[in-house]
Amino acid sequence: EPEVTQTPSHQVTQMGQEVILRCVPISNHLYFYWYRQILGQKVEFLVSFYNNEISEKSEIFDDQFSVERPDGSNFTLKIRSTKLEDSAMYFCASSVIETQYFGPGTRLLVL
Amino acid sequence: AQSVTQLDSHVSVSEGTPVLLRCNYSSSYSPSLFWYVQHPNKGLQLLLKYTSAATLVKGINGFEAEFKKSETSFHLTKPSAHMSDAAEYFCVVSELKTSYDKVIFGPGTSLSVIP
Repeated sequence: EPEVTQTPSHQVTQMGQEVILRCVPISNHLYFYWYRQILGQKVEFLVSFYNNEISEKSEIFDDQFSVERPDGSNFTLKIRSTKLEDSAMYFCASSVIETQYFGPGTRLLVL
Repeated sequence: AQSVTQLDSHVSVSEGTPVLLRCNYSSSYSPSLFWYVQHPNKGLQLLLKYTSAATLVKGINGFEAEFKKSETSFHLTKPSAHMSDAAEYFCVVSELKTSYDKVIFGPGTSLSVIP
């Protein structure tokens, strides 16, 4: 059964550094998403991506964040200058319509 | 505006007894509703979904949920809990927009299963 994959599973970085989180969505899916879950808190929507552009973003998704689909298979989330409060689990999801399938997540720790 | 309420932050049941995890939602339109499960240090796995077909939805691992429009509820049930059911459960409401699904997660319910 096809699934969404994410790399790396864990990432530790220093405050101020750039990180890129990678996702490979399910191959025939058209809609792509990033979410984050701060430890002990609820899952929060960051951004949705369709037809090679952002279709919606939350207030969390400020200028420090960017997404792209560089090669038609990978879907990346870049955080330009990480802050301590960016420490969280980041989930990628993809869908054809309605049902989103989630990857296993990348746990980001900013020191 | 959409919102999701999960009435219990934590539920504890004995193995072999029924499970009830409650979810209420509000939505301006006819939503799609989902339950996802998250085992410790794992990703989010789809348990089941309601998308305006049958109101009683069966999912994986013996779980089911009933959509009740009059009560704006979508409670998750299982007749007999298993130790492996211990996890965090999220109720999710989704509305299809033009170019994305607007998804709101509930705060989650942590299920403990006592041997």
